[in-house]
Amino acid sequence: DTAVSQTPKYLVTQMGNDKSIKCEQNLGHDTMYWYKQDSKKFLKIMFSYNNKELIINETVPNRFSPKSPDKAHLNLHINSLELGDSAVYFCASSQGTGEWTEAFFGQGTRLTVV
Amino acid sequence: DQQVKQNSPSLSVQEGRISILNCDYTNSMFDYFLWYKKYPAEGPTFLISISSIKDKNEDGRFTVFLNKSAKHLSLHIVPSQPGDSAVYFCAAPSNTGKLIFGQGTTLQVKP
Repeated sequence: DTAVSQTPKYLVTQMGNDKSIKCEQNLGHDTMYWYKQDSKKFLKIMFSYNNKELIINETVPNRFSPKSPDKAHLNLHINSLELGDSAVYFCASSQGTGEWTEAFFGQGTRLTVV
Repeated sequence: DQQVKQNSPSLSVQEGRISILNCDYTNSMFDYFLWYKKYPAEGPTFLISISSIKDKNEDGRFTVFLNKSAKHLSLHIVPSQPGDSAVYFCAAPSNTGKLIFGQGTTLQVKP
């Protein structure tokens, strides 16, 4: 029973298209995140939502828009895809935003923009 | 400005020997550190953590050491097993709740 699941696992699309990546967690966590792992393998946070409220918004282009319909879901919509958006995107969740225990990650979505 | 750094991109050890993965940080305000393990085509999974009030935390074959004065932590795996082959990330939460990751070290344990 997957704790954090994201779909699709692979996504190949052309420049200029709009795409969405979905994420769901069944852990009852209050906080969800989107991370991007770039070509240099750095994992960098993009967004964080706590109980459907945006709490972290890193310097991410406006083309990226997270949407949290409820605290178990955090979807990532990307408009006008560019070549540089190619990366692996990870969704994660954790209980709370203060004291850290651990974050649970989804398996990642490998986005390739051609 | 990379606040958490793992300067060794890869490490290869023989099965049964010790693996030592290193991590340095620059922000002295960090007071909690985590190690994550990542297999190919999977998301990172939490491995072990340490609070700055401690200098050592042990969990089975995994031990994390923290040297606050040097702003350095290390993960020791003893004995190493082939199943330990993965990418290991160290991470630290900022005071805004942002988890800052190092760039990872790929460990290969040879049978």
